[in-house]
Amino acid sequence: GENVEQHPSTLSVQEGDSAVIKCTYSDSASNYFPWYKQELGKGPQLIIDIRSNVGEKKDQRIAVTLNKTAKHFSLHITETQPEDSAVYFCAGPGAGGTSYGKLTFGQGTILTVHP
Amino acid sequence: IAGITQAPTSQILAAGRRMTLRCTQDMRHNAMYWYRQDLGLGLRLIHYSNTAGTTGKGEVPDGYSVSRANTDDFPLTLASAVPSQTSVYFCASTERPGRTEAFFGQGTRLTVV
Repeated sequence: GENVEQHPSTLSVQEGDSAVIKCTYSDSASNYFPWYKQELGKGPQLIIDIRSNVGEKKDQRIAVTLNKTAKHFSLHITETQPEDSAVYFCAGPGAGGTSYGKLTFGQGTILTVHP
Repeated sequence: IAGITQAPTSQILAAGRRMTLRCTQDMRHNAMYWYRQDLGLGLRLIHYSNTAGTTGKGEVPDGYSVSRANTDDFPLTLASAVPSQTSVYFCASTERPGRTEAFFGQGTRLTVV
């Protein structure tokens, strides 16, 4: 299946700072790159995604950038707020063959935003 | 409200017992997934199904089985529970296998004693 590596595992920032989380993937045929946010006691929820035909996508304070050559994509959160504190996951689906549809997640990043 | 529902919300189970975790979605999504989430280990894929009638093994399938008799339901069965299966279990679905937004249930907290 798709090998997805996420870094860092923990990230601590001051309110107002920016946060960046990076995910690398192994399957060059991958074409869908999502980021999920998980709050305590809840299931993950999609916050932003990007497809392989674009290099960057923004939605207010969050953005995702994609580097297909280097096979990595990153989540950028600007002007962080305490409510951004959560666990963030990237995901990488198996692109084809026996891995088709095998939706695997990165190891997760615990983001803490200090007031 | 459309979405994905898991049952039970939590369960304490004696080791050696059989248990089925239920998952139902009403979005007519083709693909469904089961994950376990242990403290500090993220989401690990147990089994998945790209469409009704088909299933596949994920990263940690041992000790678990699934079936996909129809589009809406994707139950996960522990044939003989062991303490290492203590975890929070999440069911999820996507419209297309792995390539669209995944919707998650609220999770089932299972404790095997």
